[in-house]
Amino acid sequence: LAKTTQPISMDSYEGQEVNITCSHNNIATNDYITWYQQFPSQGPRFIIQGYKTKVTNEVASLFIPADRKSSTLSLPRVSLSDTAVYYCLVGDMAGGGNKLTFGTGTQLKVEL
Amino acid sequence: DARVTQTPRHKVTEMGQEVTMRCQPILGHNTVFWYRQTMMQGLELLAYFRNRAPLDDSGMPKDRFSAEMPDATLATLKIQPSEPRDSAVYFCASGLGQGNTEAFFGQGTRLTVV
Repeated sequence: LAKTTQPISMDSYEGQEVNITCSHNNIATNDYITWYQQFPSQGPRFIIQGYKTKVTNEVASLFIPADRKSSTLSLPRVSLSDTAVYYCLVGDMAGGGNKLTFGTGTQLKVEL
Repeated sequence: DARVTQTPRHKVTEMGQEVTMRCQPILGHNTVFWYRQTMMQGLELLAYFRNRAPLDDSGMPKDRFSAEMPDATLATLKIQPSEPRDSAVYFCASGLGQGNTEAFFGQGTRLTVV
């Protein structure tokens, strides 16, 4: 499984765009990149997944460069309620495993 | 609104006692995960199942932990005997499995072993 590295914490203010970058230098050809969000006392919640280039949904955008050795989760105009831990995961979707292994995550704190 | 249901939500037990945690995955999901979360270790994958068969339980202490899926609507995680270091929040999650990395998590079982 590809190892991921992301910042331990980030601070932002309401209304700003937040970009969280994840490094995954040994990503494999079949690996997809997935991001989860976790609030205190709750289980993680799926945000977005992608393979290459850019993916956007109603919550976030995911940017993946051509070499796929990193990815950036972009949260537009954050609010206080976006304060949470964000996890980057890399895993094989085509194989029979599809094991979801979480790293240490990035604690995002949004202030007024 | 489909959701993963875990019981009990909270459990306090004495060291040495058996603990059983239950999980009802979302109907139609064929992949079930068990995680343990602590402040020190973060989210650890204990085991996961595909179509009720265990695919990987390498994260689970074999001497005291066991995970099963008696049927497609029930997954269990058992600790016998429990120890104080097992105190954690245990999450169950389910998903559609191969080709899909979106998993839906339950609310967790907060276990305290005294």
